[in-house]
Amino acid sequence: EIQLQESGPGLVKPSQSLSLTCSVTGYTITSGYDWSWIRKFPGNKMEWMGYISYSGSTNYNPSLKSRISITRDTSKNQFFLQLNSVTTEDTATYYCARSGPHWGQGVMVTVSS
Amino acid sequence: DVVLTQTPVSLLISLGGQASISCRSSQSLVHSNGNTYLHWYLQKPGQSPQLLIYQVSNRFSGIPDRFSGSGSGTDFTLKISRVEPEDLGVYYCLQRTHNPYTFGAGTKLELK
Repeated sequence: EIQLQESGPGLVKPSQSLSLTCSVTGYTITSGYDWSWIRKFPGNKMEWMGYISYSGSTNYNPSLKSRISITRDTSKNQFFLQLNSVTTEDTATYYCARSGPHWGQGVMVTVSS
Repeated sequence: DVVLTQTPVSLLISLGGQASISCRSSQSLVHSNGNTYLHWYLQKPGQSPQLLIYQVSNRFSGIPDRFSGSGSGTDFTLKISRVEPEDLGVYYCLQRTHNPYTFGAGTKLELK
Protein backbone atom coordinates (compact mmCIF):
# COMPACT_ATOMS: atom_id res chain seq x y z
CA GLU A 1 0.00 0.00 0.00
CA ILE A 2 1.37 3.38 -0.97
CA GLN A 3 1.89 5.86 1.83
CA LEU A 4 3.17 9.42 1.81
CA GLN A 5 4.45 11.27 4.85
CA GLU A 6 5.39 14.94 5.07
CA SER A 7 8.03 16.20 7.46
CA GLY A 8 9.66 19.51 8.19
CA PRO A 9 9.64 22.46 10.56
CA GLY A 10 6.31 23.71 11.76
CA LEU A 11 7.53 27.28 12.21
CA VAL A 12 9.41 29.41 9.70
CA LYS A 13 10.41 33.05 10.02
CA PRO A 14 9.32 35.59 7.42
CA SER A 15 11.78 36.02 4.52
CA GLN A 16 13.32 32.60 5.18
CA SER A 17 12.85 29.41 3.18
CA LEU A 18 10.32 26.69 3.89
CA SER A 19 11.65 23.19 3.28
CA LEU A 20 9.55 20.05 3.46
CA THR A 21 10.19 16.39 2.71
CA CYS A 22 7.72 13.82 1.43
CA SER A 23 8.74 10.24 2.12
CA VAL A 24 7.01 7.65 -0.03
CA THR A 25 6.66 3.96 0.77
CA GLY A 26 4.92 1.25 -1.19
CA TYR A 27 5.66 2.77 -4.61
CA THR A 28 8.79 3.98 -6.37
CA ILE A 29 8.50 7.61 -7.39
CA THR A 30 10.37 6.94 -10.64
CA SER A 31 7.86 4.29 -11.70
CA GLY A 32 5.07 6.63 -12.72
CA TYR A 33 2.73 9.50 -11.91
CA ASP A 34 3.21 13.08 -10.87
CA TRP A 35 4.20 13.89 -7.30
CA SER A 36 2.64 17.07 -6.07
CA TRP A 37 2.67 19.59 -3.30
CA ILE A 38 -0.68 21.11 -2.37
CA ARG A 39 -1.50 23.46 0.45
CA LYS A 40 -4.63 24.38 2.36
CA PHE A 41 -4.83 27.84 3.83
CA PRO A 42 -6.64 28.72 7.04
CA GLY A 43 -10.28 28.50 6.02
CA ASN A 44 -10.89 26.13 3.12
CA LYS A 45 -8.88 27.46 0.19
CA MET A 46 -6.72 24.83 -1.50
CA GLU A 47 -3.83 25.58 -3.85
CA TRP A 48 -1.92 23.19 -6.09
CA MET A 49 1.71 24.31 -5.88
CA GLY A 50 3.45 22.07 -8.38
CA TYR A 51 4.74 18.62 -9.11
CA ILE A 52 7.75 16.61 -10.06
CA SER A 53 7.01 13.86 -12.52
CA TYR A 54 8.29 10.30 -12.39
CA SER A 55 10.84 11.32 -15.04
CA GLY A 56 12.06 14.27 -13.01
CA SER A 57 10.46 17.12 -14.92
CA THR A 58 8.76 19.81 -12.91
CA ASN A 59 5.64 21.90 -13.31
CA TYR A 60 4.96 24.82 -11.03
CA ASN A 61 2.01 27.04 -10.37
CA PRO A 62 2.95 30.33 -12.06
CA SER A 63 1.81 32.21 -8.97
CA LEU A 64 4.78 30.64 -7.15
CA LYS A 65 7.19 30.16 -9.98
CA SER A 66 9.86 32.55 -8.77
CA ARG A 67 9.87 31.10 -5.22
CA ILE A 68 9.27 27.36 -5.56
CA SER A 69 11.50 24.39 -6.21
CA ILE A 70 10.53 20.73 -6.13
CA THR A 71 13.33 18.20 -6.20
CA ARG A 72 13.78 14.55 -5.34
CA ASP A 73 16.18 11.95 -3.99
CA THR A 74 15.41 8.75 -5.83
CA SER A 75 17.76 6.72 -3.63
CA LYS A 76 15.58 7.57 -0.64
CA ASN A 77 12.28 7.63 -2.55
CA GLN A 78 11.64 11.14 -1.34
CA PHE A 79 10.70 14.42 -2.92
CA PHE A 80 11.07 17.89 -1.51
CA LEU A 81 9.49 21.31 -1.49
CA GLN A 82 11.43 24.50 -1.07
CA LEU A 83 9.55 27.79 -0.95
CA ASN A 84 11.69 30.89 -0.68
CA SER A 85 11.04 34.32 0.80
CA VAL A 86 8.02 33.20 2.77
CA THR A 87 5.53 35.61 4.30
CA THR A 88 2.71 35.15 6.75
CA GLU A 89 0.48 34.43 3.76
CA ASP A 90 2.32 31.13 3.29
CA THR A 91 0.94 29.87 6.59
CA ALA A 92 -0.93 26.71 5.62
CA THR A 93 -1.16 22.96 5.92
CA TYR A 94 1.09 21.42 3.28
CA TYR A 95 0.27 18.10 1.67
CA CYS A 96 2.27 15.89 -0.63
CA ALA A 97 0.26 13.72 -2.97
CA ARG A 98 0.48 11.34 -5.86
CA SER A 99 -1.90 12.27 -8.64
CA GLY A 100 -5.24 10.77 -7.72
CA PRO A 101 -6.15 9.30 -4.36
CA HIS A 102 -2.92 9.22 -2.43
CA TRP A 103 -2.20 12.08 -0.06
CA GLY A 104 -0.05 12.47 3.01
CA GLN A 105 -1.55 13.50 6.33
CA GLY A 106 -0.30 17.04 5.93
CA VAL A 107 2.03 19.22 7.99
CA MET A 108 1.00 22.56 9.38
CA VAL A 109 3.51 25.33 8.74
CA THR A 110 3.24 28.71 10.42
CA VAL A 111 5.21 31.68 9.16
CA SER A 112 5.83 34.00 12.06
CA SER A 113 8.65 35.92 13.68
CA ASP B 1 -6.20 30.34 -14.37
CA VAL B 2 -9.36 28.26 -14.51
CA VAL B 3 -11.81 29.36 -11.85
CA LEU B 4 -14.05 26.70 -10.36
CA THR B 5 -17.15 28.18 -8.78
CA GLN B 6 -18.48 25.75 -6.25
CA THR B 7 -21.95 26.14 -4.76
CA PRO B 8 -23.36 26.17 -2.21
CA VAL B 9 -20.72 27.18 0.32
CA SER B 10 -22.45 25.08 2.96
CA LEU B 11 -25.20 22.49 3.12
CA LEU B 12 -27.40 21.48 6.04
CA ILE B 13 -28.76 18.02 5.35
CA SER B 14 -30.75 15.58 7.44
CA LEU B 15 -29.50 12.03 7.83
CA GLY B 16 -30.86 10.02 4.95
CA GLY B 17 -31.38 13.11 2.83
CA GLN B 18 -29.87 14.07 -0.49
CA ALA B 19 -27.19 16.67 -1.22
CA SER B 20 -26.19 18.26 -4.49
CA ILE B 21 -23.04 20.31 -5.08
CA SER B 22 -22.35 22.30 -8.23
CA CYS B 23 -18.94 23.04 -9.71
CA ARG B 24 -18.88 25.43 -12.64
CA SER B 25 -15.72 26.15 -14.58
CA SER B 26 -14.66 29.39 -16.24
CA GLN B 27 -13.67 27.38 -19.30
CA SER B 28 -14.25 23.97 -20.76
CA LEU B 29 -12.51 21.16 -18.91
CA VAL B 30 -12.34 18.88 -21.93
CA HIS B 31 -8.68 18.11 -22.52
CA SER B 32 -7.22 17.98 -26.01
CA ASN B 33 -7.10 14.20 -25.60
CA GLY B 34 -10.88 14.12 -25.13
CA ASN B 35 -10.84 13.35 -21.41
CA THR B 36 -12.29 15.65 -18.77
CA TYR B 37 -10.12 15.86 -15.68
CA LEU B 38 -12.64 17.02 -13.13
CA HIS B 39 -12.47 15.23 -9.81
CA TRP B 40 -14.27 15.37 -6.46
CA TYR B 41 -12.68 15.04 -3.03
CA LEU B 42 -14.01 14.95 0.51
CA GLN B 43 -11.94 16.20 3.41
CA LYS B 44 -13.26 14.89 6.68
CA PRO B 45 -12.30 16.70 9.89
CA GLY B 46 -8.70 15.98 10.84
CA GLN B 47 -8.01 13.98 7.69
CA SER B 48 -6.43 14.57 4.33
CA PRO B 49 -8.70 14.81 1.28
CA GLN B 50 -9.96 11.52 -0.10
CA LEU B 51 -10.83 10.92 -3.73
CA LEU B 52 -14.51 10.22 -4.35
CA ILE B 53 -15.02 10.69 -8.08
CA TYR B 54 -12.48 10.97 -10.88
CA GLN B 55 -12.99 12.22 -14.43
CA VAL B 56 -16.49 13.53 -13.78
CA SER B 57 -18.39 10.35 -13.02
CA ASN B 58 -16.11 7.46 -12.04
CA ARG B 59 -16.36 6.35 -8.43
CA PHE B 60 -12.99 5.58 -6.89
CA SER B 61 -12.46 2.14 -5.37
CA GLY B 62 -14.47 1.63 -2.19
CA ILE B 63 -16.68 4.68 -2.64
CA PRO B 64 -20.33 3.76 -2.12
CA ASP B 65 -22.80 4.22 -4.95
CA ARG B 66 -24.56 6.85 -2.87
CA PHE B 67 -22.01 9.19 -4.45
CA SER B 68 -22.47 10.09 -8.11
CA GLY B 69 -20.88 12.62 -10.39
CA SER B 70 -22.18 14.05 -13.62
CA GLY B 71 -21.71 16.90 -16.03
CA SER B 72 -19.73 17.98 -19.03
CA GLY B 73 -17.82 20.92 -20.44
CA THR B 74 -18.08 23.59 -17.77
CA ASP B 75 -20.90 22.37 -15.55
CA PHE B 76 -20.51 19.52 -13.07
CA THR B 77 -22.48 18.12 -10.15
CA LEU B 78 -21.80 15.80 -7.23
CA LYS B 79 -24.82 14.14 -5.67
CA ILE B 80 -24.90 12.34 -2.37
CA SER B 81 -27.98 10.30 -1.63
CA ARG B 82 -28.98 8.84 1.76
CA VAL B 83 -26.51 11.05 3.63
CA GLU B 84 -24.74 9.29 6.47
CA PRO B 85 -22.73 10.79 9.38
CA GLU B 86 -19.47 9.67 7.71
CA ASP B 87 -20.24 11.95 4.76
CA LEU B 88 -19.72 15.12 6.76
CA GLY B 89 -16.83 17.38 5.85
CA VAL B 90 -15.72 19.70 3.08
CA TYR B 91 -16.18 18.70 -0.55
CA TYR B 92 -13.89 20.06 -3.26
CA CYS B 93 -13.86 19.87 -7.01
CA LEU B 94 -10.45 19.85 -8.67
CA GLN B 95 -9.58 20.33 -12.33
CA ARG B 96 -6.41 18.86 -13.79
CA THR B 97 -7.15 19.69 -17.43
CA HIS B 98 -5.49 23.09 -17.51
CA ASN B 99 -2.29 24.32 -15.93
CA PRO B 100 -2.24 25.37 -13.15
CA TYR B 101 -4.55 22.84 -11.59
CA THR B 102 -7.21 24.55 -9.50
CA PHE B 103 -9.69 23.70 -6.76
CA GLY B 104 -13.15 24.92 -6.03
CA ALA B 105 -13.56 26.87 -2.81
CA GLY B 106 -15.18 23.96 -1.02
CA THR B 107 -18.65 23.04 0.22
CA LYS B 108 -19.13 22.17 3.87
CA LEU B 109 -21.70 19.46 4.49
CA GLU B 110 -23.25 19.53 7.96
CA LEU B 111 -26.09 17.70 9.61
CA LYS B 112 -29.34 19.49 10.18
